[in-house]
Amino acid sequence: AQKVTQAQTEISVVEKEDVTLDCVYETRDTTYYLFWYKQPPSGELVFLIRRNSFDEQNEISGRYSWNFQKSTSSFNFTITASQVVDSAVYFCAPNDYKLSFGAGTTVTVRA
Amino acid sequence: ETGVTQTPRHLVMGMTNKKSLKCEQHLGHNAMYWYKQSAKKPLELMFVYSLEERVENNSVPSRFSPECPNSSHLFLHLHTLQPEDSALYLCASSPQAGQGISGANVLTFGAGSRLTVL
Repeated sequence: AQKVTQAQTEISVVEKEDVTLDCVYETRDTTYYLFWYKQPPSGELVFLIRRNSFDEQNEISGRYSWNFQKSTSSFNFTITASQVVDSAVYFCAPNDYKLSFGAGTTVTVRA
Repeated sequence: ETGVTQTPRHLVMGMTNKKSLKCEQHLGHNAMYWYKQSAKKPLELMFVYSLEERVENNSVPSRFSPECPNSSHLFLHLHTLQPEDSALYLCASSPQAGQGISGANVLTFGAGSRLTVL
């Protein structure tokens, strides 16, 4: 069975600290996509990034970076020099037939 | 307006009431979704519509009744709800249904309707 796990329930940091969020996707599929979404307090989930299982290159976009390792089925997400506006719930989601989402990690950045 | 718009943003209803949640997308997408987000629980997929046809019903109780009159509008009709149905109901749309490998569709979400059942 396919399963997406976000082991970290909550992370609290002080502004300017780096934050790394873990996501592990267990599947027998050899090709798949993984997505990250952000849900700020306003409630609206916002798409951040998608990666396919063939592409293990790290990607950096501003203060965000992603590390996908197919061998460990992990798709980790790092926020560098965190800011208060990064406070949100972050969801990892595979493109499985159930359109499921991970349980989410709540990130709180304190000023 | 652009994106996905949900109304009302907040709704309080009694268990005997009948109400509806509305979702509208202006993105030209062919698929629309309802998700339920309860406290301390993962997002739960409820319904999927593709070109106005329901393609997924995730064992949702009949007190929730979806309607998709066209590819831009999606409703969730509510009747005789229970207090445990209190949650944030999120609507989403995507170019096609599902997030299959061929499309890897990104979901665009609305801000949600916060429902409280008394």
